[in-house]
Amino acid sequence: AQSVTQLGSHVSVSEGALVLLRCNYSSSVPPYLFWYVQYPNQGLQLLLKYTTGATLVKGINGFEAEFKKSETSFHLTKPSAHMSDAAEYFCAVSDAGTASKLTFGTGTRLQVTL
Amino acid sequence: EAGVVQSPRYKIIEKKQPVAFWCNPISGHNTLYWYLQNLGQGPELLIRYENEEAVDDSQLPKDRFSAERLKGVDSTLKIQPAELGDSAVYLCASSLRWDTEAFFGQGTRLTVV
Repeated sequence: AQSVTQLGSHVSVSEGALVLLRCNYSSSVPPYLFWYVQYPNQGLQLLLKYTTGATLVKGINGFEAEFKKSETSFHLTKPSAHMSDAAEYFCAVSDAGTASKLTFGTGTRLQVTL
Repeated sequence: EAGVVQSPRYKIIEKKQPVAFWCNPISGHNTLYWYLQNLGQGPELLIRYENEEAVDDSQLPKDRFSAERLKGVDSTLKIQPAELGDSAVYLCASSLRWDTEAFFGQGTRLTVV
């Protein structure tokens, strides 16, 4: 069975500050890892994903994440937060062989203050 | 290109009543998913279709939930009868194939009173 743990249900940063959202996963097979963003009353939008290859993955809106197998982590970062980044962020994992079945974390709500 | 379209966006019903949600996936997408998102939680997969075949419905509560995807395009998710605990957001997603990116609709927010 797979699982995802997102540390911190709420994260608040100042505009211009570093954004760091934490994600740890558990998987018995090589995982595919994803970060999705959800704006209020909207569906989920894919930010980035790791499948194979380079462990540092760049996504949309200036976000990136690094797959660290030894730490079973896939933390999401952005060097400088913008007000428009305020949203709910979900980390998800799937088996490499069944990329379609996503197991999501409970989400982290990012607040950006002036 | 139109995204995944879901309707209605919001639905309020009394407990024990039936309710249905509709999903129109992105044109040409063979794989369709229904997810349940409870308040403050991440989405959980209810059912996955490959064309018109339900290939993974292990998380679908079959005593009251049913789904269909006639002709392998649009899909309907039904609850009968609804219970208070069914209040949640129901998300539909589609992907070109099972191993490609899934695109999500805006969801249907169900409130059972």
